[in-house]
Parts: sequence; C-alpha cells; structure tokens
Amino acid sequence: GAVVSQHPSRVICKSGTSVKIECRSLDFQATTMFWYRQFPKQSLMLMATSNEGSKATYEQGVEKDKFLINHASLTLSTLTVTSAHPEDSSFYICSASRFSGANEKLFFGSGTQLSVL
Amino acid sequence: DAKTTQPPSMDCAEGRAANLPCNHSTISGNEYVYWYRQIHSQGPQYIIHGLKNNETNEMASLIITEDRKSSTLILPHATLRDTAVYYCIVGNFNKFYFGSGTKLNVKP
Repeated sequence: GAVVSQHPSRVICKSGTSVKIECRSLDFQATTMFWYRQFPKQSLMLMATSNEGSKATYEQGVEKDKFLINHASLTLSTLTVTSAHPEDSSFYICSASRFSGANEKLFFGSGTQLSVL
Repeated sequence: DAKTTQPPSMDCAEGRAANLPCNHSTISGNEYVYWYRQIHSQGPQYIIHGLKNNETNEMASLIITEDRKSSTLILPHATLRDTAVYYCIVGNFNKFYFGSGTKLNVKP
C-alpha cells in the first residue's frame, strides 16, 4: 500500500524559533499533499493544500506567513512553523493523494507532536 | 467544512458487530463517502469508501442508503484493537474535511 512518512514524530522547541516538518510519499508520487493540525480531543482541521511546484492554498483563518508550505517535488512537502509560540503547540499531520480523481483516497502520515515552550 | 454528522461515542462488546452511523444529507452527486479511523496520537487509517453501492473489504463493510444521505460502517467482529475515533468524510480528492467523529469503545 501507499506509505506516507512524516518526520520528526515529536519536536520540542523554544518560543520564537522555527520548526520544519517533512512529509514524504515513499512509494508513490503525490500530486497533492494536505496539512492538518489537531488539538487534544478535537478533530483534524485542514490547514492547507499543496500541489507540486505551485503555491499552497490555505484554509480561511490559517496564516500563510506563519505556516510556510513547500512542495518542491512529487514526493516531499514541508511545513515550517515560523516564530513558534506556545499556542502553536499541536499535532500536525500530513496526507497525500496519488492522483487527481474523485475516487482517490488520502494516505496519512503518523503525525508530528509539536510542543513550544 | 465538514458535511457529516456522527454520534460522539458508541460502545460495542468484543466479538460483536459494530455499526457506526453517519448522516450526510447534503452530499453532492460526485462526492464519495470515506471512513477513516484514528487511534490515539497516530495518523488516520483508511478503512473503506464508496459512491453509491455497498462496499466490503477485509476490514469492514459500508452500507450507503439509496438516497445517499446516510451510511453505516460495519465492523463485523469488533476487537479491543478497534477502539478508536471513527471519521466519516464526504468529499473527493480536492478537500477532505473531518467532522467530530465517533469514539468507539470496544469492551471485553
């Protein structure tokens, strides 16, 4: 099956620093990747959609300058949380799809727990 | 935005069938019904999806009503490892919005 790898699984950083999270599709080329965040005991919230080689599309209320998304290749997307603050502490999850089609399903990474001190 | 409604929690006895309902009355013609589950602090795991016909795979069965306004996920023989939050999602590859899901508690 299609595998999505996310790294790191857990990161602790100081307030004001930037953190980069990587999302890789290991055995397929991902035309589209999605980034979600999840607070404790809540559902996943879609942050942005990215297509290889183009700018990411952010959901309403998500600061694009705060959460930088780069999708430089068909197998790698990165999310950088810039100038992180304690309120950015959350579980971040990426997902990827293999092709553009209504019948496609998403494959999810294992998530990154970000803790900002 | 999420277009589905699910009960917040359900209990099921180990070995019995778990039937998880989902309401998606505003589903449009080209949207599929997807089911995922999430075990604590992990990424969601794909279970099954369908458009209008009932579907079955090694994990579960999906029953979609004829008017497509609701569906039921069936885990035929629930085990303790099936304890998770189950999400019903309506959409296609463009956008996947998660609703609040159903916390399934499988009890011995």
